[in-house]
Amino acid sequence: KQEVTQIPAALSVPEGENLVLNCSFTDSAIYNLQWFRQDPGKGLTSLLLIQSSQREQTSGRLNASLDKSSGRSTLYIAASQPGDSATYLCAVGRSFSGYEKLTFGTGTRLTIIP
Amino acid sequence: GAVVSQHPSWVICKSGTSVKIECRSLDFQATTMFWYRQFPKQSLMLMATSNEGSKATYEQGVEKDKFLINHASLTLSTLTVTSAHPEDSSFYICSPSPRTYEQYFGPGTRLTVT
Repeated sequence: KQEVTQIPAALSVPEGENLVLNCSFTDSAIYNLQWFRQDPGKGLTSLLLIQSSQREQTSGRLNASLDKSSGRSTLYIAASQPGDSATYLCAVGRSFSGYEKLTFGTGTRLTIIP
Repeated sequence: GAVVSQHPSWVICKSGTSVKIECRSLDFQATTMFWYRQFPKQSLMLMATSNEGSKATYEQGVEKDKFLINHASLTLSTLTVTSAHPEDSSFYICSPSPRTYEQYFGPGTRLTVT
């Protein structure tokens, strides 16, 4: 059974700093890995998707890496802003009976201090 | 594009009553619908998967007679929590999928059972 863990569970950093969020998974037989952000009481916004054959993806100030063999992914946020405050979830996807099943991590609650 | 709505966004009901949650994909057709729930400070857990016009497939530990899923059309799915109890209080999120490896998420429904 796939298990996805995110460390740390919570993180507070001053505005402007760079930061790294970590995600680890136990089963390397994944199809892709996604990073999402979730604002309080709201749904999910997809940030980055990395296919299993890729090593990283970048979007603006965000960079996500994937090391499938070691079961790890990182999300790097550059020059953090108060608007980045949210819970960040990673999710690994695998193919199952013709569709994709996502297993979500436990999340990192990020607070950017102005 | 990829707009998903859920109704209601927030509901309180008394123990023993039933609650229906609607999920609509407003600008695409969802051949597959995923329903997740999220307990406080926990991650999203997949409850069930359904294809339009077919019976839903439930994850282990999720009671199919308690959580009734109807996916009657490509733009509408409903989740009915029958005979709700306080332990069913959770955040329910739908995720319609227009094609394999592509999912979008609704804003969620906060259910509180008193």
